[in-house]
Amino acid sequence: RKEVEQDPGPFNVPEGATVAFNCTYSNSASQSFFWYRQDCRKEPKLLMSVYSSGNEDGRFTAQLNRASQYISLLIRDSKLSDSATYLCAVSGHSGTSYGKLTFGQGTILTVHP
Amino acid sequence: EPEVTQTPSHQVTQMGQEVILRCVPISNHLYFYWYRQILGQKVEFLVSFYNNEISEKSEIFDDQFSVERPDGSNFTLKIRSTKLEDSAMYFCASSAGGEQYFGPGTRLTVT
Repeated sequence: RKEVEQDPGPFNVPEGATVAFNCTYSNSASQSFFWYRQDCRKEPKLLMSVYSSGNEDGRFTAQLNRASQYISLLIRDSKLSDSATYLCAVSGHSGTSYGKLTFGQGTILTVHP
Repeated sequence: EPEVTQTPSHQVTQMGQEVILRCVPISNHLYFYWYRQILGQKVEFLVSFYNNEISEKSEIFDDQFSVERPDGSNFTLKIRSTKLEDSAMYFCASSAGGEQYFGPGTRLTVT
């Protein structure tokens, strides 16, 4: 089983649509969870951290389900500018070592007019 | 807004040559990382660095790779003898102890 798994898509949605992505992780000791977006040939840009209580930032909502070991990202009222690859990332840390991020392969989103 | 910077943006080298990729992390960050992304593949962790030493490294980070923080601002990745399969985007990231912020990357092409 892959450490971090995402549906690669692509998701093609019209402007204004709501779209949701899921990501599963295999290591139950994982402690930190993130969503990044990556535009073509650019660096991953942090979209949001994911907390157990869930968190919302404007049109974006992230949820964490530790029991089922998955995280989700919901995008409401999609904009053309949301077109990108969305990366799920998971890390664990011990002591003073803040650990590596393990990324999923990404989910491609295309928002069309 | 502070950001991670990387130079060069693109490096072309011949197989067997040494390359040094440079990064300037965000100034108050203490944790530094290198990742790579082969075209069409996922982002992969190479190494993390804290308190002037490697704190974790992946299987990819073999004896051909080394990292250094030569002064208070730069963080470098050296590949001693490049192989064709080292061609990838190399991203530097830094963290204050939680979220990691990525630089724009260096595209390394080994011919």
